[in-house]
Amino acid sequence: AQSVTQLGSHVSVSEGALVLLRCNYSSSVPPYLFWYVQYPNQGLQLLLKYTSAATLVKGINGFEAEFKKSETSFHLTKPSAHMSDAAEYFCAVRHYGGSQGNLIFGKGTKLSVKP
Amino acid sequence: GAGVSQSPSNKVTEKGKDVELRCDPISGHTALYWYRQRLGQGLEFLIYFQGNSAPDKSGLPSDRFSAERTGESVSTLTIQRTQQEDSAVYLCASSLDGGAGELFFGEGSRLTVL
Repeated sequence: AQSVTQLGSHVSVSEGALVLLRCNYSSSVPPYLFWYVQYPNQGLQLLLKYTSAATLVKGINGFEAEFKKSETSFHLTKPSAHMSDAAEYFCAVRHYGGSQGNLIFGKGTKLSVKP
Repeated sequence: GAGVSQSPSNKVTEKGKDVELRCDPISGHTALYWYRQRLGQGLEFLIYFQGNSAPDKSGLPSDRFSAERTGESVSTLTIQRTQQEDSAVYLCASSLDGGAGELFFGEGSRLTVL
């Protein structure tokens, strides 16, 4: 079965520090991978997506993610955290197994940014 | 409108009452999803509509929950005989199709059952 694992339900960094949010997936075929961000009291919005083109994907707000097939990972990074990055981040994999609308979400990682 | 629209944005109801939550997807999007998000939790899949295919109802938690979609437009999620554990934010999302495209989410409907 397809699955998405986000390591760490809560990550805290200092302003200006590197942000690293981890996502590992299981998929029997090359997947489509997504990172979404949810700010408080809002819906989710797309940060970036991987669809088998370049393995390093750049998204909005300075975030990027690298698809590593050998590690089945799609970790999200940002070189320097801003206070405005505090939010919850969800990794998702699009699959074709027919369940849940062909889309599996991780449980989310809440990012806190300390001044 | 340009985005996914959900109504009401907030709903407070008494235990045992029925509620209806509405979702207007982006025009032309054939795929529509409903998710439930309890306070401080992740997304819980409820139901998926794709075009004229039979919906995937595998995530509906009980027979008190049902959803309909008229063609490729509006969807309504109905919760009958609400319970306190139904309190959550209900998120709707649409995508161009069920393929590689991303989901576009509404702002959610926050349901509080007293």
